[in-house]
Amino acid sequence: GQNIDQPTEMTATEGAIVQINCTYQTSGFNGLFWYQQHAGEAPTFLSYNVLDGLEEKGRFSSFLSRSKGYSYLLLKELQMKDSASYLCAVRDSNYQLIWGAGTKLIIKP
Amino acid sequence: ETGVTQTPRHLVMGMTNKKSLKCEQHLGHNAMYWYKQSAKKPLELMFVYSLEERVENNSVPSRFSPECPNSSHLFLHLHTLQPEDSALYLCASSQVPGQGADEQFFGPGTRLTVL
Repeated sequence: GQNIDQPTEMTATEGAIVQINCTYQTSGFNGLFWYQQHAGEAPTFLSYNVLDGLEEKGRFSSFLSRSKGYSYLLLKELQMKDSASYLCAVRDSNYQLIWGAGTKLIIKP
Repeated sequence: ETGVTQTPRHLVMGMTNKKSLKCEQHLGHNAMYWYKQSAKKPLELMFVYSLEERVENNSVPSRFSPECPNSSHLFLHLHTLQPEDSALYLCASSQVPGQGADEQFFGPGTRLTVL
């Protein structure tokens, strides 16, 4: 079967750095997405990786290793507004998105 | 209106009721999606429409019936639902599925409670 694994919950301190991991086992691979979802709101797109390596976008970076079936989202200089759930999703060989259950990130002052 | 809108935002219905959820996108996209989001579970893709044709139906019970009259509007018709159908129903849109970083844009969702 197809599976996306990510930690259920993480806690970090304001101003620090946090890394949210995602491992996947899917039938084929056509890209990996990270979305942010604040409580009670819609998910919003953060990043897209299709080739190995690091994609940087401001305070957020996303890394992909296709051979290891692994990605991480790196958040720097954490702010209280970064408290949210972070969803990892992989597009499989049928171009369908397979979603993880999300990682709830709690930022403490 | 911009982006993706959904109505109603909240809905409480009995198991014998019939109701419809509405989604509208103002982004010029040609693919639209219905998802079910339950607490601590992955997003479940229910239906995909591309160019107004249904291209995916992931074994969704027949008590959920989608309708896509044009590329900007999507409906989800509900009838004789069960309490386990209570969840957040999200609509999303994108360019043609599977081309590049065709990220999906989500609406705010309809919080459905079935009594």
